[in-house]
Amino acid sequence: QKEVEQNSGPLSVPEGAIASLNCTYSDRGSQSFFWYRQYSGKSPELIMFIYSNGDKEDGRFTAQLNKASQYVSLLIRDSQPSDSATYLCAVTIMYSGGGADGLTFGKGTHLIIQP
Amino acid sequence: DTAVSQTPKYLVTQMGNDKSIKCEQNLGHDTMYWYKQDSKKFLKIMFSYNNKELIINETVPNRFSPKSPDKAHLNLHINSLELGDSAVYFCASSPIRGRAREQYFGPGTRLTVT
Repeated sequence: QKEVEQNSGPLSVPEGAIASLNCTYSDRGSQSFFWYRQYSGKSPELIMFIYSNGDKEDGRFTAQLNKASQYVSLLIRDSQPSDSATYLCAVTIMYSGGGADGLTFGKGTHLIIQP
Repeated sequence: DTAVSQTPKYLVTQMGNDKSIKCEQNLGHDTMYWYKQDSKKFLKIMFSYNNKELIINETVPNRFSPKSPDKAHLNLHINSLELGDSAVYFCASSPIRGRAREQYFGPGTRLTVT
């Protein structure tokens, strides 16, 4: 059973601080890792992806991957009220025969940025 | 110029009915997916199609039948609808290039079975 675990929260962070979101996954065969943001009533929106160990930065967002620990994190610097949403961690696994691969999602962390 | 579109946005129907949801992507992607998000907001893959060929079929009742007339379209037909089918259904698409294979989601179809 391939699983992705996230703390459901809510995680409350004051405006301007760093929000840190964490995710662990069970399958060592996982190759690519994604963070999606989902506002209530909306579809998931891709924020970051990472597939190599280390850090990847894009604006205020930094994704961190540690394959040995099977751990992915997302840091949001200078948090804004508009960052309040549910953040979904997702992992891609290649299916036998190659070709398409699906995403296994965690249940999401609800982030609240307090003004 | 919506990238991934779905119709209808809302669907209310009675148990036992048959309904379809349509999905289209204009991104030129090779792969399309259907996901189900239940009332607890858990998002789970149902099907994956690559160039009109079914690749992934997770444990989904055979009342659900995807159809891909071409690589830009992936429709979902549901027979004999049950109360437990009430959920938001998301279509997504992904390019087959590189390692990331990031997926882009449509706006979702909220299905309510009464």
